[in-house]
This record gives sequence, structure tokens and C-alpha cells, in this order.
Amino acid sequence: GDSVTQMEGPVTLSEEAFLTINCTYTATGYPSLFWYVQYPGEGLQLLLKATKADDKGSNKGFEATYRKETTSFHLEKGSVQVSDSAVYFCALSVIGANSKLTFGKGITLSVRP
Amino acid sequence: DTGVSQDPRHKITKRGQNVTFRCDPISEHNRLYWYRQTLGQGPEFLTYFQNEAQLEKSRLLSDRFSAERPKGSFSTLEIQRTEQGDSAMYLCASSLAGDSPLHFGNGTRLTVT
Repeated sequence: GDSVTQMEGPVTLSEEAFLTINCTYTATGYPSLFWYVQYPGEGLQLLLKATKADDKGSNKGFEATYRKETTSFHLEKGSVQVSDSAVYFCALSVIGANSKLTFGKGITLSVRP
Repeated sequence: DTGVSQDPRHKITKRGQNVTFRCDPISEHNRLYWYRQTLGQGPEFLTYFQNEAQLEKSRLLSDRFSAERPKGSFSTLEIQRTEQGDSAMYLCASSLAGDSPLHFGNGTRLTVT
């Protein structure tokens, strides 16, 4: 079946540090890949997505590149801010599967001033 | 766009009682999803509606769970004879057809005592 594996957390960084959050996937079909973010007290929000191999999704300074050869979709940001503190979820959906999302476990990022 | 609305935000109930949650999707969205999220895990798919038709149900959705979307607008999720293992955050999401992203509500947190 389809699955998403995220690196273990939590992650604590100082402001302006470089961020990488690893995500790998297995899928029976050809998936679209997503990063969702959940800020404290808020609902899940789409951060970025990529729908085909070598696509790069980007938003709010975050980037992730769809790597079919390594089945990965790692999230990166060059300089994190305190306001980036949140839980980050990697997810996939397979074409023809009603856009149903399969999520990873999520990772908590804390950024200290 | 008022977003996806869920009610109530919190529900505490005693084991064995029935509970019902409501989801109001974004008005023009014809797809509606229910997910369950437990502590430290990513959201897990429960069921999916396209308009009023329930097109997919997860194996996680035991016979104590039932979901409806009678007029293709709001949806309800009922849990009968609640068990402590049902304690979780129940998330609703909606989307347009095709490759549109899912928009999530803030969830209903259920605690079964």
C-alpha cells in the first residue's frame, strides 16, 4: 500500500538556521506529493506541492523537490523564523484515488529566537 | 471563502455513549473527507464523499461509525457506543474535483472517559 515516512522528531533550531526535514514515500501508482503545516491552534494548511518528477514546490521560503529516483520529497528552508514553529506533515495522493491523502507521522519544529 | 467549519471543537463523552460531529465544507466544494488523528500520528483517512455519495470507506471505519452527507453539503460523522480508543481529533476536509488541494477544518477533539 501507499505510505509516507518522515524523519523522527522533534527538531529544535535557532532562528536563521537551515532546515531540512526528510520525507520518503512508497506508492502503488504515480503520486502527487505535498507538505502540510499545522500551526499551534490551527487546522492543517497546504504549504506546497509537486505533481511530477523533478518538480519543485515552493512557498513562504520553503522548497521541496520531487525525486522519483530516491522516492523522496525533502522539505528545506534556508533561514527559519520563530513563526515557522509548527508541525509539518508530508503526504501523497495517487491519481485515481479520489485525491485521498496518505500522511506521514508529522514532525514538530521549534525555532528559538 | 469562510473555510471548512467543524462543530463542536471539543467533545467529552462517557464510554458507551453516542456522539455526532458536523462538518460544513467550503460551499462550492463537491468532495468531502473525514480523517482521524491520534497523538503523535498523521491524519488517517476514514471516508470520502463526492456530493452526497459515499464513495470510499477505510477499514478503520468500524460498524460503529457512520457518515452521511444527505444533500451534498454538510456532513455528519456519528460514533455509536464510544470506546476509549475512539479518543482522537476528527478532521474534515473538502475540495473541488480533480487535482484540487484539500482544505481542512480545525477538527473536533473527542475524549472518551
